[in-house]
Amino acid sequence: EDQVTQSPEALRLQEGESSSLNCSYTVSGLRGLFWYRQDPGKGPEFLFTLYSAGEEKEKERLKATLTKKESFLHITAPKPEDSATYLCAVRASGYALNFGKGTSLLVTP
Amino acid sequence: GAGVSQSPRYKVAKRGQDVALRCDPISGHVSLFWYQQALGQGPEFLTYFQNEAQLDKSGLPSDRFFAERPEGSVSTLKIQRTQQEDSAVYLCASSLAGARYNEQFFGPGTRLTVL
Repeated sequence: EDQVTQSPEALRLQEGESSSLNCSYTVSGLRGLFWYRQDPGKGPEFLFTLYSAGEEKEKERLKATLTKKESFLHITAPKPEDSATYLCAVRASGYALNFGKGTSLLVTP
Repeated sequence: GAGVSQSPRYKVAKRGQDVALRCDPISGHVSLFWYQQALGQGPEFLTYFQNEAQLDKSGLPSDRFFAERPEGSVSTLKIQRTQQEDSAVYLCASSLAGARYNEQFFGPGTRLTVL
């Protein structure tokens, strides 16, 4: 059975304090790993798709990387507006996305 | 451009009532998905449409849940005889073409509370 585990569950950072969020997965035949951001009361907002080990993508202060067993979302010099829940999801053989529980990030001034 | 819209945004139902949740996908998007998100959890897949065809309904938790997309655009998720465990946020997502490789864009969700 496909599994997605995100860690830590919650993370508190000072503004400017860089860190990484982890997404470990076990799937048979990965057809995409997706990162989303979700603000309270809103739907998930698409950030990145990664397809193969070694692939990296960047957007502003965020950089996503992928290995055969896990993905990292690196946050460089975060700002308070980066506070949100970050969701990782994988697609294997079907159409559905299989989500982790998310990491709740709080960035304080 | 307009994103995925859902209505109502909030719905309170008494246990045993039927509810209908609406999703308007991004114009031109072929694929449409419904997910259920419990508090503090990630979204869980319910069902998938490609145009008007429901290709996967493996995630629907019981036969009280029914979804349709009769003209390949707007979709409705219906829950009959609601139970307290149905309380959750129901998310709709759409994607442009074949779902297998394309990212899904989500609506704001409908928060259902069953009393």
